[in-house]
Amino acid sequence: QVQLQESGPGLVKPSQTLSLTCTVSGGSISSGGYYWTWIRQHPGKGLEWIGYIYYSGSTYYNPSLKSRVTISVDTSKNQFSLRLSSVTAADTAVYYCARDRTGGSCYFDYWGQGTLVTVSS
Amino acid sequence: QSVLTQPPSASGTPGQRVTISCSGSSSNIGTNYVYWYQQLPGTAPKLLIYRNNQRPSGVPDRFSGSKSGTSASLAISGLRSEDEADYYCATWDDSLSAAGVFGTGTKVTVL
Repeated sequence: QVQLQESGPGLVKPSQTLSLTCTVSGGSISSGGYYWTWIRQHPGKGLEWIGYIYYSGSTYYNPSLKSRVTISVDTSKNQFSLRLSSVTAADTAVYYCARDRTGGSCYFDYWGQGTLVTVSS
Repeated sequence: QSVLTQPPSASGTPGQRVTISCSGSSSNIGTNYVYWYQQLPGTAPKLLIYRNNQRPSGVPDRFSGSKSGTSASLAISGLRSEDEADYYCATWDDSLSAAGVFGTGTKVTVL
């Protein structure tokens, strides 16, 4: 059974960089075939797709966030990470990591439990 | 602002059938598969329907999905109290700003 777990600071100051890591267990990122994705949900709102990374390191980001987003992978640790720069209060959200079975599809079969990140001074 | 439009709410009594619509365009639903997610309060979304109308193992057959043109629907038959949740459609959008997109979400209330 694949499991994903987000970790990182729950509080980030405005203008700083948000950094989160997703640890995958029960399956290897380096086995390929899946696209490891970040999604966020603003408080009381809907879901927003942020971007994904393949085990090879190739990425695709939401154009609306592209200038501020970096997703990276560490196959040795079976982790992938999200960095979002120049954050504002509008970036306060629950951040989820998920596995996309096909990439470019929104076919998310496994999700992390989510982690709330608050942007505040 | 989501490109996929859902009704904000839907409701029914136990045993009834509830249908949720998801309206998109030719660059998203009209071209790609639709997926449905159920989000119980305080939890992560869970895959409910994949590739328009397929159910993952473990999802009751009370849940069914369909797609026609640029719209999709999720039906819940034999409504149960545990179905009270938020439901989201999702797909890929192939427009100039290609990305994954989610619906606005529908809160289902069991009366």
